Amino acid sequence: GEEVAQTPKHLVRGEGQKAKLYCAPIKGHSYVFWYQQVLKNEFKFLISFQNENVFDETGMPKERFSAKCLPNSPCSLEIQATKLEDSAVYFCASSSQGNTIYFGEGSWLTVV
Amino acid sequence: DAKTTQPNSMESNEEEPVHLPCNHSTISGTDYIHWYRQLPSQGPEYVIHGLTSNVNNRMASLAIAEDRKSSTLILHRATLRDAAVYYCILRLGMGAGNMLTFGGGTRLMVKP
Repeated sequence: GEEVAQTPKHLVRGEGQKAKLYCAPIKGHSYVFWYQQVLKNEFKFLISFQNENVFDETGMPKERFSAKCLPNSPCSLEIQATKLEDSAVYFCASSSQGNTIYFGEGSWLTVV
Repeated sequence: DAKTTQPNSMESNEEEPVHLPCNHSTISGTDYIHWYRQLPSQGPEYVIHGLTSNVNNRMASLAIAEDRKSSTLILHRATLRDAAVYYCILRLGMGAGNMLTFGGGTRLMVKP
């Protein structure tokens, strides 16, 4: 597609439940990024992929967070045993050769 | 990572030019200066980028200081739709997989 598609737009989970977010990058883009935005302005880089391979995972929490980009499937970000502090907007972005990174509209996760 | 410093907020009148400053005194020779903006309830959107020379595109202009320690994003005629948080970001090199490190950004308010 011509835009980064993220689902679901909104997700509510009780503490301790699992949350799974999906991202379809722009067709032909080989890089996918996940960011977490807490408290309106603060963005935190989580992880990036080059095709199905992890490219940079320096921002990924060691526990509870995992991500995949498998061929012919949307990429996913999964949080096991969610905590209140995981409440945030999670943005997926994609890029190809070039300087522009295209962002999706985000998935709003609320942990109650 | 090299850091950027921006004012927390700025105000402008509609139809007037806006100059959004950014300081990046620790910029390295391979860092590109990128600007993204985030409209309310949306993902970040690419605005412009540059390395050393001033740049113009349909959205804005980017003026880069000769020593590259600061830059200014120029919106030539602000509209209400330009009200957003503007992020000045240093991105390492030309690699499509290189992540963006967001700072706090400048919240631009546009008055009718």
